[in-house]
Amino acid sequence: EAGVTQSPTHLIKTRGQQATLRCSPISGHTSVYWYQQALGLGLQFLLWYDEGEERNRGNFPPRFSGRQFPNYSSELNVNALELEDSALYLCASSRDSNSGANVLTFGAGSRLTVL
Amino acid sequence: KNQVEQSPQSLIILEGKNCTLQCNYTVSPFSNLRWYKQDTGRGPVSLTIMTFSENTKSNGRYTATLDADTKQSSLHITASQLSDSASYICVVIRSGGSYIPTFGRGTSLIVHP
Repeated sequence: EAGVTQSPTHLIKTRGQQATLRCSPISGHTSVYWYQQALGLGLQFLLWYDEGEERNRGNFPPRFSGRQFPNYSSELNVNALELEDSALYLCASSRDSNSGANVLTFGAGSRLTVL
Repeated sequence: KNQVEQSPQSLIILEGKNCTLQCNYTVSPFSNLRWYKQDTGRGPVSLTIMTFSENTKSNGRYTATLDADTKQSSLHITASQLSDSASYICVVIRSGGSYIPTFGRGTSLIVHP
């Protein structure tokens, strides 16, 4: 089965611009999670979508937003980019949100560089 | 506060040697604990999943242990290989309601020839 796919692989933007990152979950997975991983740091939880709804968000400003489409793919938008937004953005999917036993399967990530 | 602490932060070993990585957590109530391996610039890949009743689980040269009473887990790597160089991340899943995973900051392992 195809894994979690993310696009683009790399993205270079300048301060103040907007970035859009995309994620396609594994077929049959309805939950999508977004994480930010700045260089040398751990994964920071951004957003969780399940069945098209935002279930939870991490401690990030409203500039970070997203949505989940009817086909369960998801989009992460970052507005008014700042230099510290430069990071690897990881998307993960799981079968559903009702069981803690579900494994999160990660994509390869999108590397965002803000100049 | 639900937290996951990993130690050491980084570790350098010679090829062929064994090593043990530690994970302490305060996440409660506990559902399960996972170890992920993350190669540089790539997404994490699951190594093991351990539930409350499991004490030890192996995946090839990787062996994870869990002590739910002391809220500690370890990942033991046997006969290390150069390809083991990566970040190893401990993730604890809280039960009840939303199953948001809590990630540790990872241990960076470098295996030298």
